[in-house]
Amino acid sequence: AQSVTQLDSHVSVSEGTPVLLRCNYSSSYSPSLFWYVQHPNKGLQLLLKYTSAATLVKGINGFEAEFKKSETSFHLMKPSAHMSDAAEYFCVVTERQNNLFFGTGTRLTVIP
Amino acid sequence: DGGITQSPKYLFRKEGQNVTLSCEQNLNHDAMYWYRQDPGQGLRLIYYSQIVNDFQKGDIAEGYSVSREKKESFPLTVTSAQKNPTAFYLCASSRTGGGEQPQHFGDGTRLSIL
Repeated sequence: AQSVTQLDSHVSVSEGTPVLLRCNYSSSYSPSLFWYVQHPNKGLQLLLKYTSAATLVKGINGFEAEFKKSETSFHLMKPSAHMSDAAEYFCVVTERQNNLFFGTGTRLTVIP
Repeated sequence: DGGITQSPKYLFRKEGQNVTLSCEQNLNHDAMYWYRQDPGQGLRLIYYSQIVNDFQKGDIAEGYSVSREKKESFPLTVTSAQKNPTAFYLCASSRTGGGEQPQHFGDGTRLSIL
């Protein structure tokens, strides 16, 4: 069975410091994994996706994520936070057609 | 620019009333989806459609109905049978229905009860 766990509901960082948003998943097969970002009252925007190619995936806005099969993790990272990064982030796993499983989200606050 | 347009942005429903949320895409995508988002929760799938004139129930279809008469349109009706309709509704599309395809989202409709 699939599931996604975002380990932190809220993360606060200072501007210019690294960002780490944690995601663990469970999957019976080789999953596809995604990170999406949602700004207030907006839809979700794709940041990056993993589909069994390179384990380090680079996305938009300087974000990247590392797929670690042994740890069943897909953590999202950014070396230096910007004020515009403040938003809600969702980790998503899918292994079959149309069956996407969304994490409950991590709200990122960036302190000036 | 290609994208997904949801309307209206805000919608109010009276008790016992059906309301319809619009979703239009000009991305030429085959698959379309409706999600419900509640505070502090991830998205939950209401209905999805892989192709015109075909759709399937998602995890929380009760109290909702959809149609897919045109490729670019996938309206969602929230019926009076949905007892707790207050939520943020998101429409999405993908090139095909394959799980590896990323989904493109509209900006949502916020539905409230009067």
